Amino acid sequence: QVQLVQSGGGLVKPGGSLRLACAASGFTFRDYYMGWIRQAPGKGLDWVSYISSSGSTTFYADSVKGRFTISRDNGNNSLFLQMNNLRAEDTGVYFCARAPYDNNPWFDYWGQGTLVPVFS
Amino acid sequence: DVVMTQSPDSLAVSLGERATINCRSSQSVLYSSTNKNYLAWYQQKPGQPPQLLIYWASTRESGVSDRFSGSGSGTDFTLTISSLQAEDVAVYYCQQYYYTPLTFGGGTKVEIK
Repeated sequence: QVQLVQSGGGLVKPGGSLRLACAASGFTFRDYYMGWIRQAPGKGLDWVSYISSSGSTTFYADSVKGRFTISRDNGNNSLFLQMNNLRAEDTGVYFCARAPYDNNPWFDYWGQGTLVPVFS
Repeated sequence: DVVMTQSPDSLAVSLGERATINCRSSQSVLYSSTNKNYLAWYQQKPGQPPQLLIYWASTRESGVSDRFSGSGSGTDFTLTISSLQAEDVAVYYCQQYYYTPLTFGGGTKVEIK
C-alpha cells in the first residue's frame, strides 16, 4: 500500500533553516510528481511546491520562492523540502503528497504531516 | 492567482440528510480541448491529513463512498453528501489544478445537527 512517512520537523527561530523529508513506499516513486502543502494552525490548505517525476522541473508558491527548495532522490524514494530564512508566517503543519497526474496536479496520497513552529 | 471561494463556511445537517457544499473559482477551470474541469475535493478530519474524494470535478476516487458526488463546470462546483453519516463530520476543501499556483478553497466544516 502507498505510504508517505515524513520526518524532520521541529522548532526553529526566524531566519533559521530546516529540512523536511518524506519517505515513499508502495508505489514506483520515480513515476510520480510529488508536492508539499502546508496548513497554518486552525487554517486551510496552502500549496507550497511540487516537483516533476525526474526532478528536473520545480514549481513554487510566490510566498516561498527563493527561500524553499524542493528536491527528490529517486534512488532512495525520498522527497525533500529545504526551508531557509524561515518566517513566523511559515509556521504550520507541512504535508508531502503524491500527484497522480503530470503537471497541474491534484494529490491522492498524503503524508501524516510534520509540524514546523517558527518563533523566537 | 485563482481564488477559490467555498460556501457556506459551516453547515449542520441531520443524520441521513443531504449536505451540499459549493465552490466557486475566480476563473474558469474548464479545459475546452478535453472538456475536463480541473477541480478536486478533499475531506479532512481533525488531526489527520486530507483525503482525496473527487477529481476532474466529478470522478470519485477509488474506495470513496458513493454518498459523495461532485458536479459543476467552469467556475461553479458542488460537493454533495447524499445521506450524512457520523463519520462524514470533517472539513471539506476544493482545489483547482488548472493554474499554478495551485489554490484551495477556505474549507467548509460539516457537523451533525
